[in-house]
Amino acid sequence: DAKTTQPPSMDCAEGRAANLPCNHSTISGNEYVYWYRQIHSQGPQYIIHGLKNNETNEMASLIITEDRKSSTLILPHATLRDTAVYYCIVRPGGGFKTIFGAGTRLFVKA
Amino acid sequence: DGGITQSPKYLFRKEGQNVTLSCEQNLNHDAMYWYRQDPGQGLRLIYYSQIVNDFQKGDIAEGYSVSREKKESFPLTVTSAQKNPTAFYLCASSIWGQGKRKVELFFGEGSRLTVL
Repeated sequence: DAKTTQPPSMDCAEGRAANLPCNHSTISGNEYVYWYRQIHSQGPQYIIHGLKNNETNEMASLIITEDRKSSTLILPHATLRDTAVYYCIVRPGGGFKTIFGAGTRLFVKA
Repeated sequence: DGGITQSPKYLFRKEGQNVTLSCEQNLNHDAMYWYRQDPGQGLRLIYYSQIVNDFQKGDIAEGYSVSREKKESFPLTVTSAQKNPTAFYLCASSIWGQGKRKVELFFGEGSRLTVL
């Protein structure tokens, strides 16, 4: 499985967009980019995933660079409840072994 | 409602004792997983199972054992051989990944084990 690199922590003002970067320079052609988040002492929750096109759902947007070596998760209007650890993961479309890194701890401040 | 149930939520154990953590899912998922999380760290994969009566070691399987006798159940035993068992344990399940674009993991609420 490809390795990902994320900043350990980030701050964001409430109501502003939170842009969380992820580097996955060794990603292979059949690997998808997934994002999960974990609110303190709970199980992680799926947010979004993509292969090479940008994706949007009710929670967030995912922007993947053309060379697929990096991506950005965008929370368009961050709220205090978005304070959590965000994990960027790459995994094959047909695989099921999911490896989590240390993630980015996002602090949303009033 | 469909989901994953882990029990107990909190567990205290004396050194040298084995303890079993329960994980049950009613999502009809084929695959189930156990992760360990230490304070301030990410999740590390202990064991996973693709199908009943089959399971594979993850990255940190030493000192742990599992069974998968039923599709909906995947209990984890933390044995006395596990050197540092105090941690937060998370169980997850998913559909079978092969040939599927989206394989979303659904997690339980976790079990916090403390060794006294």
